[in-house]
Amino acid sequence: SQKIEQNSEALNIQEGKTATLTCNYTNYSPAYLQWYRQDPGRGPVFLILIRENEKEKRKERLKVTFDTTLKQSLFHITASQPADSATYLCAPSNTGNQFYFGTGTSLTVIP
Amino acid sequence: DVKVTQSSRYLVKRTGEKVFLECVQDMDHENMFWYRQDPGLGLRLIYFSYDVKMKEKGDIPEGYSVSREKKERFSLILESASTNQTSMYLCASSSYIAGGETQYFGPGTRLLVL
Repeated sequence: SQKIEQNSEALNIQEGKTATLTCNYTNYSPAYLQWYRQDPGRGPVFLILIRENEKEKRKERLKVTFDTTLKQSLFHITASQPADSATYLCAPSNTGNQFYFGTGTSLTVIP
Repeated sequence: DVKVTQSSRYLVKRTGEKVFLECVQDMDHENMFWYRQDPGLGLRLIYFSYDVKMKEKGDIPEGYSVSREKKERFSLILESASTNQTSMYLCASSSYIAGGETQYFGPGTRLLVL
């Protein structure tokens, strides 16, 4: 069955640094991969999507890579701010109606 | 903006009660989903629906049922609530954008079963 692992449950970084979150998956081949942000007590919010034929994608201070050989995605937040503190979920996905999410990495940006 | 609303933010029920969680989306999306989220386990899919009156089981459908009588509304029913159904319940709808299906979540319902 599909397995999705996100690096360390919690990540603390200093404001202004780049946060790097990792998502590894096994036992399937997603056509695309999404990242979501979740604040405490709230539903996840979509951030960015990268397709299998795209190696890298950027959106404002976000950068995502997708390596289908390593079965891994890296999610970077540059010039991090305390407001970026949240849990980030990855979702390697295929066409069709089932979605699978990682358990998330809790990011804390320290002022 | 897509809006997904859920009927309650917090709910307290007793063991054995029948519980209804309602979800409404305003973007005419075909697909709707119900998840539960528990610490350390992440989001787990209970049921999804790709059309009115259609439903598919997710990974953990036991103890739950769903109803989709109208396109915009998807209800989750706990037939006889049990304490192990205490959880955060999240509804979502989805649309296809720029190469993939993206989910839009409601604010969640935190259910406590006593």
